[in-house]
This record gives sequence, C-alpha cells and structure tokens, in this order.
Amino acid sequence: GAVVSQHPSRVICKSGTSVKIECRSLDFQATTMFWYRQFPKQSLMLMATSNEGSKATYEQGVEKDKFLINHASLTLSTLTVTSAHPEDSSFYICSARPGGGNTEAFFGQGTRLTVV
Amino acid sequence: AQTVTQSQPEMSVQEAETVTLSCTYDTSESDYYLFWYKQPPSRQMILVIRQEAYKQQNATENRFSVNFQKAAKSFSLKISDSQLGDAAMYFCAYRTHSGSRLTFGEGTQLTVNP
Repeated sequence: GAVVSQHPSRVICKSGTSVKIECRSLDFQATTMFWYRQFPKQSLMLMATSNEGSKATYEQGVEKDKFLINHASLTLSTLTVTSAHPEDSSFYICSARPGGGNTEAFFGQGTRLTVV
Repeated sequence: AQTVTQSQPEMSVQEAETVTLSCTYDTSESDYYLFWYKQPPSRQMILVIRQEAYKQQNATENRFSVNFQKAAKSFSLKISDSQLGDAAMYFCAYRTHSGSRLTFGEGTQLTVNP
C-alpha cells in the first residue's frame, strides 16, 4: 500500500514556541491531506483539510491562526502549532488519499506533541 | 450531517474465539463507503476492511468479516479466531462516495485474553 510518513514522531517544546509537523506522501501525489487530533482513548477529530496550492479548510472550532497548515507541494503538508500551550499537547495524525474514486486513505505514524 | 456511533467502548475476547464489534451510522446518502480501522498501541492507523454501500455482499478479509445491513444502517465487524495481535482500538468510519474526509466513530477498545 501507499506510504505516508509523518515527522517527528515525538516532540517536546516550551510554552510560547512554535513547532512544525511534516506529513509526506512517499510514493503518490496527494492534492488533499487531512490533519487530525486525538486525545487519549478518544477518536480522531478532524482539524483541517489541507489543499495543495490553496488555503486549508478548517473545522469549526479550530483556530486557523494557531494551527497553520501549508500544502506547498503534492507530497508535503505541514502543520505548525504556534505559540504552543500545554493544552495543545496531544497526538496529531495526518492522512492522505492517492488519486480519487474509491481509493483508501493512508495514515502517518502520528506525532506526540508535549508542551511544557 | 453524517454520524458514526460505536456503542461498545470496550470489548474482550478469549484467544481463538470470535468477537463482534458494533457500529451504526446515519446518512442521507445512498452511495458511500464504510471502513474498519485498527489502532494498536503504536497508534498507527491500519485499514482492516472496507465495504462499498452499493455492494450487497459482505466484505471479508481473512479472519475479518463484516455484517452490512444498509436498511438498518449497521456495519458490524466480526473477528474470528482472535489472536493476541488483534488487541487494539477499533474505529468504524464513513466516507461519502465522492468525498475525501472520513467520519469516525468513538472507537472500541478490544482486549484479547490468552
């Protein structure tokens, strides 16, 4: 199957700093990628849809200025958590789907963000 | 709006036995896809099985099969001959036919007892 690589897998940052998470589709092009947030023992919550070459579409309640998404190429989307706060500590997962039609979505390994 | 409900937060099964995980969904669409994803302790999301709504035949993948009841909007997952490696969180998910985004259920934590 297709591979989606997410980096870093773990990151610790200080409050007030920014941290960038990368999501790459290694063997396919993805015009659309998705960013999820997952709290312990809970489901995946869609944060935003990342569209190559255009602005991301954010879900209701997600702060656009705090969670900056850039999808500069067909294989790379980045999520930047700005002015990180301990409440931003969570597990972040990206996914991408090659092509259209009935192809399945593939997920990155996830990033554990801890803000201290 | 589409919703996906998993009413079993936790389930347990003895190794080699069979277990069924429940999922119901709500949609006004007639054509869509349903999925079961597995999330082991590594947190990597793994696709277990998928069902296309226009297909009446239930999908199967080795020890995993589904019972898809379109009229009842029910999509349960049966795991036969359970193995220790099946222990994970299982998520039911929905996607419209033409859409890209997935809607996930709350998840069911499956424990496999040796």
